[in-house]
Amino acid sequence: ETGVTQTPRHLVMGMTNKKSLKCEQHLGHNAMYWYKQSAKKPLELMFVYNFKEQTENNSVPSRFSPECPNSSHLFLHLHTLQPEDSALYLCASSQGEGRVGGSYEQYFGPGTRLTVT
Amino acid sequence: AQKITQTQPGMFVQEKEAVTLDCTYDTSDPSYGLFWYKQPSSGEMIFLIYQGSYDQQNATEGRYSLNFQKARKSANLVISASQLGDSAMYFCAMRERGTGNQFYFGTGTSLTVIP
Repeated sequence: ETGVTQTPRHLVMGMTNKKSLKCEQHLGHNAMYWYKQSAKKPLELMFVYNFKEQTENNSVPSRFSPECPNSSHLFLHLHTLQPEDSALYLCASSQGEGRVGGSYEQYFGPGTRLTVT
Repeated sequence: AQKITQTQPGMFVQEKEAVTLDCTYDTSDPSYGLFWYKQPSSGEMIFLIYQGSYDQQNATEGRYSLNFQKARKSANLVISASQLGDSAMYFCAMRERGTGNQFYFGTGTSLTVIP
């Protein structure tokens, strides 16, 4: 497999369920990201991991719990979600800081479309 | 202040014509990178083109070019010879060396190519 993969692609869950989203990158990158994309809203950065260490947590509610066991895998554990959490959840990876004057681009997975009922 | 501003929520272009999607950015970091992504209705974000703050020339990738005007802090995407498959959302993004792995995205522009 190449690139960034995400499973599942679609998920419907009740507010009392516990589920996990999985992301895997096969690009040898050291940084991984979770984004939330709601309808008609900008992309929201949720978490950033660099070499398995969490470097960003943008005030995300505790019902979202990330886990990064190694540089290739990233999970997002979900529990007691709310209907407003329904969105497209995108995983991305990138190399760390690199080029002078900029940096390496992010590569995104296909996303998990989450519906909370 | 917004780091990335895209002022065109929706654009239309005739097939085979060129179109420019606007992006302005705000940073005081001298070292940064600018990116454009395409998001079709399927949802996946596809990287299109990159411009570094120290690059002297505008970036080009096939039919995509980036009109980089550093003094004006603008990084417009130009798509030449539009195709029906170009219909999608387009996002401008920035990464600053000083803020590590943080990427900032604009609100996007929806492009529709008309046959």
